[in-house]
Amino acid sequence: DAGVIQSPRHEVTEMGQEVTLRCKPISGHDYLFWYRQTMMRGLELLIYFNNNVPIDDSGMPEDRFSAKMPNASFSTLKIQPSEPRDSAVYFCASGDSVRYGYTFGSGTRLTVV
Amino acid sequence: QQQVKQSPQSLIVQKGGISIINCAYENTAFDYFPWYQQFPGKGPALLIAIRPDVSEKKEGRFTISFNKSAKQFSLHIMDSQPGDSATYFCAASRAVSSGSARQLTFGSGTQLTVLP
Repeated sequence: DAGVIQSPRHEVTEMGQEVTLRCKPISGHDYLFWYRQTMMRGLELLIYFNNNVPIDDSGMPEDRFSAKMPNASFSTLKIQPSEPRDSAVYFCASGDSVRYGYTFGSGTRLTVV
Repeated sequence: QQQVKQSPQSLIVQKGGISIINCAYENTAFDYFPWYQQFPGKGPALLIAIRPDVSEKKEGRFTISFNKSAKQFSLHIMDSQPGDSATYFCAASRAVSSGSARQLTFGSGTQLTVLP
């Protein structure tokens, strides 16, 4: 099993540009989570999906953020337009309702200049 | 009530020593308490977890102690090694509904440095 795969690993973009982060969950996992990690706020849950359906997006900071899961093997987190305060490491994690532990990807380090 | 408070923020221990990280929670609905270990450039990885029906769980050099009445739990790393140097997060979760995902509430993290 290759684990949760995120791309790109690093992204540097200019303020105002659109950014798309990608995630491939572990096959068979029916839950997918997007987290953001910063020094100031730690790990924050942004949104999670169950069977490709968004269940709770209350952690999404602003309308500039959107997430989709068009199928069981792919999800995107989009920021449009991006701002410097969006700079963080974004993690995707997947899990199932049987086992309690999540598996995290290696993250995407986003820098908005 | 969703907060999990973690301390200390950073910890420096000599090789062979005991590392202790503490967490406290308020929501009595939490019923699963995992610890995650994160190395630089990597995502958090599940290290060990405990349910509130036991007071202690041990896996190798890692032990969770759980005090339900005090709503506190801690991670003990015995014989700490330089390879244990990482950031440790406690977390707590509860099932939103039967068969649903367990949303994790994370502590703020502890950066552990084990000196050789």
